[in-house]
Amino acid sequence: DAGITQSPRHKVTETGTPVTLRCHQTENHRYMYWYRQDPGHGLRLIHYSYGVKDTDKGEVSDGYSVSRSKTEDFLLTLESATSSQTSVYFCAISGGVDTGELFFGEGSRLTVL
Amino acid sequence: GESVGLHLPTLSVQEGDNSIINCAYSNSASDYFIWYKQESGKGPQFIIDIRSNMDKRQGQRVTVLLNKTVKHLSLQIAATQPGDSAVYFCAAYSGGGADGLTFGKGTHLIIQP
Repeated sequence: DAGITQSPRHKVTETGTPVTLRCHQTENHRYMYWYRQDPGHGLRLIHYSYGVKDTDKGEVSDGYSVSRSKTEDFLLTLESATSSQTSVYFCAISGGVDTGELFFGEGSRLTVL
Repeated sequence: GESVGLHLPTLSVQEGDNSIINCAYSNSASDYFIWYKQESGKGPQFIIDIRSNMDKRQGQRVTVLLNKTVKHLSLQIAATQPGDSAVYFCAAYSGGGADGLTFGKGTHLIIQP
């Protein structure tokens, strides 16, 4: 298994509170991604990173920000959580951006009440 | 943009039989396709991929077929086992970086004893 750790694995929070999800990799891969998975939808890209301090928006980036200060860590922040952000969040890594061979973490289930 | 869809949300097969999971894509510019397996409570796991210059690729007990004329691909699992029970989804890459990878919604494969 690829060395990807997500934390926390489960979180319940209230509307309006800030939330940070952490992704840590031990593979030294350049590319890191945050996806959300919801019923009735395929995985949707929130943000991705192509290097330290290099990030870009994905399909559903509104309400989310990211930071990557070290190769191994990619943080996803919800500045003010809303109920529509209740979802399962997956971090993924890859050696290249034009590859579909992504290695996923175990997911972080977030519930916003 | 690209849309990727699976034909059936659920597929039930007898243990030992072959399984066929189908997927359709819309963007003729898509040139790289991937199948993922997601077990309950876990992150997606790469199974097999195929590029558009091929129409068939085989792995261990799995075969992916690509029909570019009708924009269709399928995943065949030989001699289905209980451990194959999972959600399977396809993804299509149409270039342009991380945004170019589109995931389908998934087919839940149920194995009957």
